[in-house]
Amino acid sequence: EPEVTQTPSHQVTQMGQEVILRCVPISNHLYFYWYRQILGQKVEFLVSFYNNEISEKSEIFDDQFSVERPDGSNFTLKIRSTKLEDSAMYFCASNTDRSNYGYTFGSGTRLTVV
Amino acid sequence: QKEVEQDPGPLSVPEGAIVSLNCTYSNSAFQYFMWYRQYSRKGPELLMYTYSSGNKEDGRFTAQVDKSSKYISLFIRDSQPSDSATYLCAMSLNSGGYQKVTFGTGTKLQVIP
Repeated sequence: EPEVTQTPSHQVTQMGQEVILRCVPISNHLYFYWYRQILGQKVEFLVSFYNNEISEKSEIFDDQFSVERPDGSNFTLKIRSTKLEDSAMYFCASNTDRSNYGYTFGSGTRLTVV
Repeated sequence: QKEVEQDPGPLSVPEGAIVSLNCTYSNSAFQYFMWYRQYSRKGPELLMYTYSSGNKEDGRFTAQVDKSSKYISLFIRDSQPSDSATYLCAMSLNSGGYQKVTFGTGTKLQVIP
């Protein structure tokens, strides 16, 4: 069964450093998303991306965050200057249709900022 | 009031028990109602979705939506140890042509053999 692949599974970084989280969505999917889940809290929407541009972003997705689809397969989330409160699980998701609520999620990247 | 409220548990039941998981919501604009299952260190996996009020059954799972009360439930019959996971309710509404999904906090379920 096709799956969304995320790397790395765990990333430890020092506060103030830049991190790039990588995702390979399912190949025929056109809509891509990043969500995050702080330990013990709910899964929160960060950003949606279609046709090489952001379609929607939440208040969490401030100027420290950016997304990119650098080639035909990868979808990346960059955090420019990490803060302690950025520590969370980051999930990439994709689907075929923007009206399709049934996302396929990746296994996530656990980001720990120290 | 939070948009979506879900009891975080944990909920511990013996194998074979019927499990009832619930969420309430405040936004009447929500159109689709979903249940995701999340195993430890994994991403959420879509279990079931419903659109209208009523029940939807899939094997041992039944999803129930009551739009008038803004209340949704997931029932698991004959629960198995492999059902042990966190169950997330999720709801979506049309936002600029896209389905914007809001998740509950998740209920951690443990089924004891």
